[in-house]
Amino acid sequence: AQTVTQSQPEMSVQEAETVTLSCTYDTSESNYYLFWYKQPPSRQMILVIRQEAYKQQNATENRFSVNFQKAAKSFSLKISDSQLGDTAMYFCAFMKYNFGNEKLTFGTGTRLTIIP
Amino acid sequence: DSGVTQTPKHLITATGQRVTLRCSPRSGDLSVYWYQQSLDQGLQFLIQYYNGEERAKGNILERFSAQQFPDLHSELNLSSLELGDSALYFCASSVSGGGSYNEQFFGPGTRLTVL
Repeated sequence: AQTVTQSQPEMSVQEAETVTLSCTYDTSESNYYLFWYKQPPSRQMILVIRQEAYKQQNATENRFSVNFQKAAKSFSLKISDSQLGDTAMYFCAFMKYNFGNEKLTFGTGTRLTIIP
Repeated sequence: DSGVTQTPKHLITATGQRVTLRCSPRSGDLSVYWYQQSLDQGLQFLIQYYNGEERAKGNILERFSAQQFPDLHSELNLSSLELGDSALYFCASSVSGGGSYNEQFFGPGTRLTVL
C-alpha cells in the first residue's frame, strides 16, 4: 500500500514571499503520478500541479513548481510570489498508474496562511 | 465549476438513520470516485465505479454502499449512521480507462452531520 506523509501541519508566509511545502511518499511502484491539490475555505478540491514519475523534469504551472526526487521519494511544492488567494489547505496525493483504476491517496495536508 | 454536481450540499441527521448522497459526473466521464474527508481519517478513498460496475474499493465500511446508474450518476448510501460518520463526502469523476492519465474533477462535496 502507498502512504503519503506531509510533516508540516501549518505554515505561514508573508505575501510575495516564496514558500515550500514538503511531501514524502512510500511505494514499491515504478509508474505513478504525484499531485498537489489546494482546498481553499470553500472546500472545493482544486488540482494545482501534476508530476509523472517517469519524467525527470520537474513540473511547473505559473507560480507553482515542484521538486521531484524519485530516489528519495520526495515531492515538494514551491509557491513563488505568494498571494492572499493562496491561503488554503494543500494536499499531496499519489496515484498508481493502473488502467481504469485511478484512486488517489492523500497526505494529511498542510494549512498555508499568506499574511498581508 | 468542475462540472461535477453533488446533492444535497448539507445534510443533518440522527444516529441510526440512513441517507443517500447523489453525484452527477461531468458529461462524458465514465468513472465516479467517492472520497470521505473527516477530522479523524483525513481524506480517504471509499469506492470507484466505472461505467456502472464497481472497479475499486478502499476503506469503505460495510454500512456504506454505492452504485452507478445507466445514466452514470452515482449514489452513496450510508446506513446505521454513527457520530463518526460526520464528514465531507466528495465525488469526483474522470474519463478513465484510456491507459493514460485522466484528471479527476471534484464536486463541491456534501457535508454530513450526524447528531
